Parts: sequence; structure tokens; C-alpha cells
Amino acid sequence: GQNIDQPTEMTATEGAIVQINCTYQTSGFNGLFWYQQHAGEAPTFLSYNVLDGLEEKGRFSSFLSRSKGYSYLLLKELQMKDSASYLCAVRDGTNAGKSTFGDGTTLTVKP
Amino acid sequence: NAGVTQTPKFQVLKTGQSMTLQCAQDMNHEYMSWYRQDPGMGLRLIHYSVGAGITDQGEVPNGYNVSRSTTEDFPLRLLSAAPSQTSVYFCASSRTGATEAFFGQGTRLTVV
Repeated sequence: GQNIDQPTEMTATEGAIVQINCTYQTSGFNGLFWYQQHAGEAPTFLSYNVLDGLEEKGRFSSFLSRSKGYSYLLLKELQMKDSASYLCAVRDGTNAGKSTFGDGTTLTVKP
Repeated sequence: NAGVTQTPKFQVLKTGQSMTLQCAQDMNHEYMSWYRQDPGMGLRLIHYSVGAGITDQGEVPNGYNVSRSTTEDFPLRLLSAAPSQTSVYFCASSRTGATEAFFGQGTRLTVV
């Protein structure tokens, strides 16, 4: 099975940088997703990492270390609209259609 | 450009009633999934499908059935509703297991 851990809540200041961590213990691994979810809305895709290293996409970057079972999402130049939950999801190594989500990290951006 | 469409958006059921949550996508995606999300928690996988005619169980399948007779549609059936099934249900689709999932707007279900 999969066990995924994320901090429950984080607070940061507008304009700052924040790093949201995700650790996982899995019976198989085939990639890691990050999604953003605003309150009362559906999740939307942010990034996908399958190889070790950093993927950069504008103000958002995601890092993966498969040997450590660790990923992080880095948000730069924080804006108020970045206040949301950030969900880490691990893709199963043997069942291609199966992804397991962590409980999410609620980020609050303050002025 | 509809994407993933879920109906209904809101539903109240009495304990023991059955119903079907509808999910349709117009992107010709092979992969579809149903999740439930309880307050303050992440998404838990109920059932998923990697193509028409193929379905499999996720983490929390008990009390739910699915079928996938076409690529476009992936309905979720609640057999006998229980208060523990009060939740927000999301349907998602993706082209493959390694590409981004697109989510419907969710169905907010209350079982009384």
C-alpha cells in the first residue's frame, strides 16, 4: 500500500517563498503529482515528477528524490490567490490507473 | 469544451436509498476514477478504470459499484446509502496514468 505524509497547515507572507513537503512509503512507485485545490472547488494539476530532480514551471517548482521517498513543491513570489490546499499524489507502480493522495497541506497567504 | 461533467452537483438521500452519480468526459480519455473527499482530508480512491470494459477497486470500494460501457461515461452507483457515505465525490479522467487528471466539479452528497 501507500503511506503519504504532508504537513496539515502552513502560513506564509505575500511575496515570500514557501516549500511544501511530501514524504511517501510505497509498495511501488511510478511518479508523483501535485494538485492545487481552492476551497469548495475541484483539484487542478500543477506538476508531475517521475525522475529525480527539479521541474520548474513559472512560479511553481517540484522536486523529487526517489531514494528518499521525498518530494517538495516550491512556490515563489506568493500571491493571495495561492491560498489553497496542495495535494501530493503517488502513482502506483503496478496499477497504472491508480494514484493515492495525501491529506493535503492548507496554505494561507497573509498580506 | 466541457471536460469532465458530473451530475448532480448536490444530492440528499435517505439511509437505504440507492442512486447513481453520473460522470462524462469528452476528451477521449482512457483513464477514469472516482474519489471521495471528507472534510479536511485528501482524496480517497473508490474505483477506477483504464478503459471501456475494465474497472478495478481502489482504497474504499465497499458500498459502491461502477461500470464502464463506453469511453465517455463512468457512473458510480451507491447501492444502499449510509450516513458514512456523506462526502464530496469527484470524478477524474486522464489520457494515461502518467498525465494530468482533469476533475469534475464534484457532487456534494448528504445521507440522512
